[in-house]
Amino acid sequence: DAGVIQSPRHEVTEMGQEVTLRCKPISGHDYLFWYRQTMMRGLELLIYFNNNVPIDDSGMPEDRFSAKMPNASFSTLKIQPSEPRDSAVYFCASSLWAARFGEAFFGQGTRLTVV
Amino acid sequence: KNEVEQSPQNLTAQEGEFITINCSYSVGISALHWLQQHPGGGIVSLFMLSSGKKKHGRLIATINIQEKHSSLHITASHPRDSAVYICAVFRGGADGLTFGKGTHLIIQP
Repeated sequence: DAGVIQSPRHEVTEMGQEVTLRCKPISGHDYLFWYRQTMMRGLELLIYFNNNVPIDDSGMPEDRFSAKMPNASFSTLKIQPSEPRDSAVYFCASSLWAARFGEAFFGQGTRLTVV
Repeated sequence: KNEVEQSPQNLTAQEGEFITINCSYSVGISALHWLQQHPGGGIVSLFMLSSGKKKHGRLIATINIQEKHSSLHITASHPRDSAVYICAVFRGGADGLTFGKGTHLIIQP
């Protein structure tokens, strides 16, 4: 397996534009997590899915953020409209078990810059 | 106060030195993870602990559940160990991880 695949690797967009980040988890993993990393706050959990169903989205900063997982092999994180403070690295991770049991495998991240 | 505190924030050492990175947490947990983030940005899981000690090569991780503390040790450190080391805990109620701010380690040749 190629691991968790995220696209794009880098995204630069203007304030107000819609941004869509994509993630393909490792085949067979039941859990998918979206994290955001900034210098100020470090890594933060945004949302996670179990068997394609969103379980906890309490980390999503506001209504401008939405995430979907239409099937077991694909998830998106959308920001609409984007703002400069959304600039961060966004990581997707997947795991076979919940975080209490097993390791999570991370994608390479998407570095988002909103100007 | 952050739920997960790491120390030191930054550490520079010479090749061959024994390295210790500490992690303290304030919530009840079921598991603690140590992650490594390379300069290129990729994140790799090193250990998952719920008790005791684990060893992998030159890396050793320990956890004391009663004291809410974990340490990551690197023996015979090497420049390729230079990375950010992140402690993360699984906290009750959510299956995601709560992260420390990371320890930026530089090993000089």
